[in-house]
Amino acid sequence: GENVEQHPSTLSVQEGDSAVIKCTYSDSASNYFPWYKQELGKRPQLIIDIRSNVGEKKDQRIAVTLNKTAKHFSLHITETQPEDSAVYFCAASKQAGTALIFGKGTTLSVSS
Amino acid sequence: GAGVSQSPSNKVTEKGKDVELRCDPISGHTALYWYRQSLGQGLEFLIYFQGNSAPDKSGLPSDRFSAERTGGSVSTLTIQRTQQEDSAVYLCASSGGPEQYFGPGTRLTVT
Repeated sequence: GENVEQHPSTLSVQEGDSAVIKCTYSDSASNYFPWYKQELGKRPQLIIDIRSNVGEKKDQRIAVTLNKTAKHFSLHITETQPEDSAVYFCAASKQAGTALIFGKGTTLSVSS
Repeated sequence: GAGVSQSPSNKVTEKGKDVELRCDPISGHTALYWYRQSLGQGLEFLIYFQGNSAPDKSGLPSDRFSAERTGGSVSTLTIQRTQQEDSAVYLCASSGGPEQYFGPGTRLTVT
């Protein structure tokens, strides 16, 4: 079955710096890759997703890149703010709307 | 509109007892998912319902775990003969498209 690895497990940056979180997946049939943000004590929420027919997607300060050949995808957050502090999870599935296999999460801390 | 709701929010049970966790998905969502989140861990897929199709049970960790979805809406996750390693937050999600909307979770503690 699918296996998703996520690095780093923790990431500390200064406000205004960029943050990059990387994930790899094992199943070449996966073609949907969402990223979820989970603030302390709250439920996970989708922040951005990408499908396999696209190499990059951007939404304001957040971007995701996908390399299908290497089976890895990354989340990029620019101009980080303290409110970006949270746990970020990458995930993969064979099709949007089906079961997601998640990475173990990255705890991002943005200090002002 | 109303989001995904789960009950109870917290459940403490003794080892060996059975528990039932409930999920009310967003109205009209055809897909419903159960995940488990242990302390410091990611979300572990358990089971997935899509419409009237047979559920994908490939994530259930043992035969003590089962789930049903009645009338294509409310779902119940049942854990029989609970063990201490079952302690976790059980999250339900629903979707009507690619995005999965999560509920607040049920924190299960097995003593």
